[in-house]
Amino acid sequence: DGGITQSPKYLFRKEGQNVTLSCEQNLNHDAMYWYRQDPGQGLRLIYYSQIVNDFQKGDIAEGYSVSREKKESFPLTVTSAQKNPTAFYLCASSIPKTGVNTEAFFGQGTRLTVV
Amino acid sequence: AQSVTQPDIHITVSEGASLELRCNYSYGATPYLFWYVQSPGQGLQLLLKYFSGDTLVQGIKGFEAEFKRSQSSFNLRKPSVHWSDAAEYFCAVGGRGGGADGLTFGKGTHLIIQP
Repeated sequence: DGGITQSPKYLFRKEGQNVTLSCEQNLNHDAMYWYRQDPGQGLRLIYYSQIVNDFQKGDIAEGYSVSREKKESFPLTVTSAQKNPTAFYLCASSIPKTGVNTEAFFGQGTRLTVV
Repeated sequence: AQSVTQPDIHITVSEGASLELRCNYSYGATPYLFWYVQSPGQGLQLLLKYFSGDTLVQGIKGFEAEFKRSQSSFNLRKPSVHWSDAAEYFCAVGGRGGGADGLTFGKGTHLIIQP
């Protein structure tokens, strides 16, 4: 079945550590996205990538980094510079922007907790 | 900049009653509009979307939404709710390319179903 896989489902991080969240898709989508979700805040865009080896900052990119070396993969690193990383992180992908039926498909999320 | 407002943080509806969730958007051009649903601890599932054409769009699970340009609204409706509809609902707007640069989400409406 095609879809988006995020791993791990739960992640615990100590203060000052970097952690990497995995996102893999087998939908052959060009575009991929990372969103952060906090209670009562909706989803906010961290980074997005429309093609391999290229990505752009979203609204809240500070303290995060990404790479896009393969079409299927878009890992997110939460660095020690992110002051409040505890949140639910959602990865999404969408069909090429030249397509007619553009919509975003979401993974099941990773809940990151700083301990 | 585009924005989405969902005025109701919580809504309680009796099972079998009708439902309307409000969404107002701000965007300078013709918007691409979406409604997503999220169960606790899960990713987002697309209910329906509006790109152009008929302003009344049908979605999955018996939901529909009406685009009203004059009111900058895209309200979600269902004639008769089921207990399984209890979830968080998000309205989102995409700009260029149907949101190829990412979607802007409202803060969500939490739907509670009373027996």
